[in-house]
Amino acid sequence: EPEVTQTPSHQVTQMGQEVILRCVPISNHLYFYWYRQILGQKVEFLVSFYNNEISEKSEIFDDQFSVERPDGSNFTLKIRSTKLEDSAMYFCASNRLSGGSNTQETQYFGPGTRLLVL
Amino acid sequence: GDSVTQMEGPVTLSEEAFLTINCTYTDTGYPSLFWYVQYPGEGLQLLLKATKADDKGSNKGFEATYRKETTSFHLEKGSVQVSDSAVYFCALGGYKLTFGKGTLLTVNP
Repeated sequence: EPEVTQTPSHQVTQMGQEVILRCVPISNHLYFYWYRQILGQKVEFLVSFYNNEISEKSEIFDDQFSVERPDGSNFTLKIRSTKLEDSAMYFCASNRLSGGSNTQETQYFGPGTRLLVL
Repeated sequence: GDSVTQMEGPVTLSEEAFLTINCTYTDTGYPSLFWYVQYPGEGLQLLLKATKADDKGSNKGFEATYRKETTSFHLEKGSVQVSDSAVYFCALGGYKLTFGKGTLLTVNP
């Protein structure tokens, strides 16, 4: 069964460093998402991406964050200058289509990357 | 804005006990509702979903009914197993998903 994969599973970085989290969505999916979960808190939407551009982003997704689909298979989340509060589990998700505001094709999630900023 | 409130737990049950995890939501529209499950060391997996009022989602013995009048989508299972031990997330969504905080369920033999 196809699945979303993410690398690395864990990353430790120093404050101020750049990190790139990588995701390989399911191959025939068109919509891609990043979510994060700070320890003990809710899973929060960060950004959605379709047709090589951002469709929607949350207030969390500020100028320090960027996303890219550098080739036909990878989808990346870059944090330019990490802060302590960026420590979280980051989940990538994808789905085949988005049905608009009232319907939703199931989003398939990867296993997550646990980021620790020291 | 949209929000989801679910029973925080942790919930500890004996095998074969009845499970309920409460979930309520606020939304002015008619979102789809989901339960996702996260087993230790794994990603979020869709457990079940319902796309309109009075729909019942079911999978692996779990059920949840979309109750528009009470804005609820409570998860139930009649007889839990040790293998059901995981974190359960309630979520609502149209285009993007809004999650609850998750409920850790531990089932003891």
